[in-house]
Amino acid sequence: DVKVTQSSRYLVKRTGEKVFLECVQDMDHENMFWYRQDPGLGLRLIYFSYDVKMKEKGDIPEGYSVSREKKERFSLILESASTNQTSMYLCASTRYGSGTSEQFFGPGTRLTVL
Amino acid sequence: AQKITQTQPGMFVQEKEAVTLDCTYDTSDQSYGLFWYKQPSSGEMIFLIYQGSYDEQNATEGRYSLNFQKARKSANLVISASQLGDSAMYFCAMRDLLLIIQGAQKLVFGQGTRLTINP
Repeated sequence: DVKVTQSSRYLVKRTGEKVFLECVQDMDHENMFWYRQDPGLGLRLIYFSYDVKMKEKGDIPEGYSVSREKKERFSLILESASTNQTSMYLCASTRYGSGTSEQFFGPGTRLTVL
Repeated sequence: AQKITQTQPGMFVQEKEAVTLDCTYDTSDQSYGLFWYKQPSSGEMIFLIYQGSYDEQNATEGRYSLNFQKARKSANLVISASQLGDSAMYFCAMRDLLLIIQGAQKLVFGQGTRLTINP
């Protein structure tokens, strides 16, 4: 059974803290993605990675960074959390060149920044 | 740039009725893919159905079918015989071919439609 896991379902942090969101997939997928989901806006892509140590900015990368040191793990980093980063964060993965294949999603992390 | 529009923020339907969720898209690409995902209150995104731009027939998966009208740039999801468990957020998404060499396939999502099935 394919699986994408995220380190926390719920997270509460304070403004200015450094926050790490971890995502692990067990499908040997090359491509991994971080989205944030906000009401009325759908899912928006923050960053994605197509290989170890490779990353590309998505549509809303400001205030975020990512790390991919191993193929199965993709981390999203909030260097200095702010209240406007309170959101649902979803990680996804898909295999290389998977034109018709869906992205597999993790359960999401609901982050609240106070 | 590609864009997905879902104009129905919320829908209420009686159990066992069929329901159509609207999705229109905008792209200048000739080759693209359209996806529908379901998100229950638990939060996980569940893939429902896929339609390729060159597919001649509308996609179907069990109770789900996709009414694909290419000239009108619409890809509506039809759920037949709705059930209480169909209550969820539904997202339409388009595959954006990005970084072809690396094969990364970015998805562009619509705003979502919250479907509520009443008993």
